[in-house]
Amino acid sequence: GQQVMQIPQYQHVQEGEDFTTYCNSSTTLSNIQWYKQRPGGHPVFLIQLVKSGEVKKQKRLTFQFGEAKKNSSLHITATQTTDVGTYFCRANFGNEKLTFGTGTRLTIIP
Amino acid sequence: GAVVSQHPSWVICKSGTSVKIECRSLDFQATTMFWYRQFPKQSLMLMATSNEGSKATYEQGVEKDKFLINHASLTLSTLTVTSAHPEDSSFYICSAVRGLNTEAFFGQGTRLTVV
Repeated sequence: GQQVMQIPQYQHVQEGEDFTTYCNSSTTLSNIQWYKQRPGGHPVFLIQLVKSGEVKKQKRLTFQFGEAKKNSSLHITATQTTDVGTYFCRANFGNEKLTFGTGTRLTIIP
Repeated sequence: GAVVSQHPSWVICKSGTSVKIECRSLDFQATTMFWYRQFPKQSLMLMATSNEGSKATYEQGVEKDKFLINHASLTLSTLTVTSAHPEDSSFYICSAVRGLNTEAFFGQGTRLTVV
């Protein structure tokens, strides 16, 4: 089936430590998007990856799209308290089917 | 970024009544709007996809007669929860896109409590 697995489900890190969340699909994706949802808020678009092997950076955030376009990762360097929230990937299977990952809830220990 | 307005942000209703939630794209025409349900600390569960002027496509397990979706224009979609029951209590959120390969803009969400 066209599902996307996201891991881990939860991550607690000390402020200043790094954080990574992964999304994996069994089928090739057209593109993948990443969103952040703050506690009590709605998801906000972060970035879209389209090309095989693509790497994009936004300040302390690094997004990667695998060579086979089946997996993607979001890495945050030196986490801050403002990074708290749930990070979702949204996979586009290319047949008008878009699916959100289960999300990774990030909490920061000050 | 574009703005999607969802109303109301919260509603409490009695069991058996119906509740309508509106989702408007304020500054762009949305070819497609999506309706999600989110349980506490869980992911967004897609309920249905709606395109302007056509019937919504519901995900498996979502009762179309219970969750009525109307997409009357390129800027407005509504979700009506009919004959609401306490188990329908949840956070409902809409999103709108210009095109399927573009970013999704989300409404603020509606917290529905059925008593």
